[in-house]
Amino acid sequence: GQQVMQIPQYQHVQEGEDFTTYCNSSTTLSNIQWYKQRPGGHPVFLIQLVKSGEVKKQKRLTFQFGEAKKNSSLHITATQTTDVGTYFCAGSNYGGSQGNLIFGKGTKLSVKP
Amino acid sequence: GAGVSQSPRYKVAKRGQDVALRCDPISGHVSLFWYQQALGQGPEFLTYFQNEAQLDKSGLPSDRFFAERPEGSVSTLKIQRTQQEDSAVYLCASSFGVRGNYGYTFGSGTRLTVV
Repeated sequence: GQQVMQIPQYQHVQEGEDFTTYCNSSTTLSNIQWYKQRPGGHPVFLIQLVKSGEVKKQKRLTFQFGEAKKNSSLHITATQTTDVGTYFCAGSNYGGSQGNLIFGKGTKLSVKP
Repeated sequence: GAGVSQSPRYKVAKRGQDVALRCDPISGHVSLFWYQQALGQGPEFLTYFQNEAQLDKSGLPSDRFFAERPEGSVSTLKIQRTQQEDSAVYLCASSFGVRGNYGYTFGSGTRLTVV
C-alpha cells in the first residue's frame, strides 16, 4: 500500500540555525499536506501543495512539492524556540487508496536557546 | 463550534471493557475522520465519513472497532472488549471538503489507556 516516509526522525538545532525535513512517497500523490504537532498537542494544519514543483512560503517556512509529486520538503529559516514540535507530512492519492491522508512518522524538532 | 471537540479527554479502561469515544466536528464540515496515534508515531487512518455515510473503514484494526455518524454531525468510535494494544490517542478530524482535498482540523484527541 501507499507509504509516506520522513527523514530525519529527530533534529536538534541551536536557535537561529536552519532546519529541513524531507518527505518521500512510494506512489505519486495528488497533493501533500504539512502539519505541526506541539508536545502534548494535536496536529495543526500548516499548508497544502497540489501542483508539481510548487513552492509556498509562510514567513520563515518554505514548502516544496517535487516535480514527480512523490516528495516534499519543509525548510525553516533561523529557527526559534516556538518552532519546537513534530512536523508531519501527509499525502493523498485520490485515484489510489480513495484519497485518505497517509501520514509520515514525523520529524521531531528541538531548539536549544 | 469553533473547533473539533472530543470527549472524554482521557479514558482508562480495564481489559475487556467496552469504550465509546465522542467527536463533535466543526459545523458544516462534510468529512469526518478517525485516526489512531501511538506514542512517537504519526496518525494512522481508521475510518472516514462523508456526511452520515461511512465510505471507508479499511483502517479499523479489527471487528471490535465500530464507528458511526448517524445524523452527519457527531460521531462515536466504539471499541469492544478493549485490549492493551488498543492503548493510544484517538484523533478525530473534520474537513470542509471530501477526502484529502482540504486541510483537516483535528480535535485534541482521547488518550485511551487499557490496563
